Amino acid sequence: GIQVEQSPPDLILQEGANSTLRCNFSDSVNNLQWFHQNPWGQLINLFYIPSGTKQNGRLSATTVATERYSLLYISSSQTTDSGVYFCAELETSGSRLTFGEGTQLTVNP
Amino acid sequence: DTAVSQTPKYLVTQMGNDKSIKCEQNLGHDTMYWYKQDSKKFLKIMFSYNNKELIINETVPNRFSPKSPDKAHLNLHINSLELGDSAVYFCASSQLRGSYTFGSGTRLTVV
Repeated sequence: GIQVEQSPPDLILQEGANSTLRCNFSDSVNNLQWFHQNPWGQLINLFYIPSGTKQNGRLSATTVATERYSLLYISSSQTTDSGVYFCAELETSGSRLTFGEGTQLTVNP
Repeated sequence: DTAVSQTPKYLVTQMGNDKSIKCEQNLGHDTMYWYKQDSKKFLKIMFSYNNKELIINETVPNRFSPKSPDKAHLNLHINSLELGDSAVYFCASSQLRGSYTFGSGTRLTVV
């Protein structure tokens, strides 16, 4: 099956800083999704981005399918951005979303 | 009007017991899933149902039995609970090949 690697595994920021999270894939990208798991455990879908760039407020994501990677940008980080960020790729059959191991982000006030 | 709701949110039970987790979605999605999140936060697919038909059954002990009475519901029944079953279980739904929506999770603790 597809392998999903995320970096960095951990990231600590001061409030107001910018950051970039990366996701690499072992196979072609068909259906890339980014999730945020907040400190209360809820998994929120941030982006569905098989290719190109999307923006949602202070967050944006870019997927370069031909080079098998995706980036999540967080600008002007806030303490509420803390949590674990996961990227995940859907297998071609469409039946299974495979997750990376996540990036643990801590934003300090 | 929660999109994907699962109950209960917390479940503490003794080894050997049988328990169920319920999941319902009101998004009109045709596919539902159960994922398990271990203590290291890794998320792994357990089961997937499309239009009530089982399409994925990962290497999961047969003590775990999913049931989908209709497209909006996917329940998980676990027999003879073991300590190693302790984890957070997430239900999710999507259109096939679409964007996923997750429930808020059920934290299962087996003592």
